[in-house]
Amino acid sequence: QKEVEQNSGPLSVPEGAIASLNCTYSDRGSQSFFWYRQYSGKSPELIMSIYSNGDKEDGRFTAQLNKASQYVSLLIRDSQPSDSATYLCAVDPLRGGKLIFGQGTTLQVKP
Amino acid sequence: DAGVTQSPTHLIKTRGQQVTLRCSPKSGHDTVSWYQQALGQGPQFIFQYYEEEERQRGNFPDRFSGHQFPNYSSELNVNALWLGDSALYLCASSAGEGYEQYFGPGTRLTVT
Repeated sequence: QKEVEQNSGPLSVPEGAIASLNCTYSDRGSQSFFWYRQYSGKSPELIMSIYSNGDKEDGRFTAQLNKASQYVSLLIRDSQPSDSATYLCAVDPLRGGKLIFGQGTTLQVKP
Repeated sequence: DAGVTQSPTHLIKTRGQQVTLRCSPKSGHDTVSWYQQALGQGPQFIFQYYEEEERQRGNFPDRFSGHQFPNYSSELNVNALWLGDSALYLCASSAGEGYEQYFGPGTRLTVT
């Protein structure tokens, strides 16, 4: 079992829709969770961090964490074509800086 | 406010050679982590440097080594290159261990 799992996609949504990206992790004691966006040929860009159960909102982005289910998700509201990218989920099990990444989900937002 | 910088941008090496990649952290950051990203995969943690010491290490052989300087900049060295080392090498900096990490643009290494 992979430590951090994401559906590789592609996930295709129409412009203006809500995109829902999901991630599961295997280490039940994990402390810190991050979402990164990576455009083709570029490096990952931090979107959100979340540490406690529940929702965290930042603009059009909402991260959701459920530690009991070992599940973290990212919602993108009012999706735009510029949101088309690969979204990487990262987990820091010991909150020491060793990030474990999923393989990423490719999102396509169609005009 | 300068972000994380890396050099060089691209590099082509031959099997068996050695390579050194460089990273300068974001202003105010003192911790540097290195990752390897193969095509179509998520980044894999190589190691982390804080206070000029290697603090954590991922599942990479001893051919991969590093260093952190007093100004917090860092180098990644890879010896005895082989084809499988071809990847995007990413440096990330943070304001201490366990804090949010910000990535540099990466160095694309091709081993032929």
